[in-house]
Amino acid sequence: EVQLAESGGGLVKPGGSLRLSCAVSGFTFSNAWMSWVRQAPGKGLEWVGRIKSKSEGGTIDYGAPVKGRFTISRDDSKNTVYLQMNSLKTEDTAVYYCTTDFWNYGDHVDYWGQGTLVAVSS
Amino acid sequence: DIQMTQSPSSLSASVGDRVTITCQASQDVSKYLNWYQQKPGKAPKLLIYDASNLETGVPSRFSGSGSGTDFTFTISSLQPEDIATYYCQQYDDVPFTFGPGTTVDIK
Repeated sequence: EVQLAESGGGLVKPGGSLRLSCAVSGFTFSNAWMSWVRQAPGKGLEWVGRIKSKSEGGTIDYGAPVKGRFTISRDDSKNTVYLQMNSLKTEDTAVYYCTTDFWNYGDHVDYWGQGTLVAVSS
Repeated sequence: DIQMTQSPSSLSASVGDRVTITCQASQDVSKYLNWYQQKPGKAPKLLIYDASNLETGVPSRFSGSGSGTDFTFTISSLQPEDIATYYCQQYDDVPFTFGPGTTVDIK
């Protein structure tokens, strides 16, 4: 069974830092492209960024609002993707989801974690 | 960045009605468009990928069409469990932007 489990959310002051983790199981993590998507309270979905598999270059891309402040990384030995968030702003308050999609024996599949809440407030 | 718009922003329909949502991209995204369903307090669920392909296990009353800049998402016969917010997302070019969402409820 495929599982994605985010952790590390919480309350942080503006200007602070937080690192989110997303531990996965049930598929070959090293081949997966992993993404982070966030959703501010009562708002729509916002793409945060994506990291490709190392075999496909490991390229990392970010959305404009987080570029230069957030860093995505992965540890294939731990089946975990990370989101390091620095210089946090109140507008970064959101539920953060990790997600992936891939082909499984001819079927396209898409998986999301349950999300972790990050609240940035003084 | 590619901007995505959706219309309407919300709609009310009766059970059994045909429901249509449109999504427009600010530039050509070819077929690289997803449709997601999100229910309150839950993670989004992918329904349609590559503009018109139904995700495994998704009921056939859901469908998508279009290419380039104009896309359509259809529920052929609205069911009570379809009450949700629906988002389009382009993945032709990073950042993979989402539309603002369309909230569907029962009249």
